[in-house]
Amino acid sequence: GAVVSQHPSRVICKSGTSVKIECRSLDFQATTMFWYRQFPKQSLMLMATSNEGSKATYEQGVEKDKFLINHASLTLSTLTVTSAHPEDSSFYICSATDAGGGDTQYFGPGTRLTVL
Amino acid sequence: GDSVTQMEGPVTLSEEAFLTINCTYTATGYPSLFWYVQYPGEGLQLLLKATKADDKGSNKGFEATYRKETTSFHLEKGSVQVSDSAVYFCALRSGGGADGLTFGKGTHLIIQP
Repeated sequence: GAVVSQHPSRVICKSGTSVKIECRSLDFQATTMFWYRQFPKQSLMLMATSNEGSKATYEQGVEKDKFLINHASLTLSTLTVTSAHPEDSSFYICSATDAGGGDTQYFGPGTRLTVL
Repeated sequence: GDSVTQMEGPVTLSEEAFLTINCTYTATGYPSLFWYVQYPGEGLQLLLKATKADDKGSNKGFEATYRKETTSFHLEKGSVQVSDSAVYFCALRSGGGADGLTFGKGTHLIIQP
């Protein structure tokens, strides 16, 4: 089946630093990639939708200057949390749809970000 | 806006018991409905889906029927196994494949031998 990976799986950083999270589709080309955020005991909240080669579309309330998304190729999207603060600590999950057809979203295993 | 409400967990059952996890939704138009499962340490996996009213999605013994009149998509399984222990998420998508999903909070299911 289609596999999506994320790197790193866990990251701890100091307040004020920036952190980059990678999302890769390993065995398919992804037309569209999505970034979600999950707080403890809460549902996944869609942050943004990115299409290869174009600017990401952010959901209402998500700061685009804070969460930079780059979808440079059909197999890679990155989320950079800039000037991270403790309130940015969360579980970040990406998903991707196959450019070859179908609308199923394949999810990565997530990245746990802790900002000290 | 769109929203999904599912029963709070954890839900603890004995092996071979009947399972129901309730899910109701609020959405404009005619959304597609999904159940995802997350096993420990893994990413979410699509379990089943239904794209229009009265459709029944099924997979691995699990079933859910798209009920437009009650805006529900309850997940059922006749006889659960220990290996079914996981977190189950109900979700909807209002638009097409290029749109993101709206999720419920997830239900942690624990099956005891």
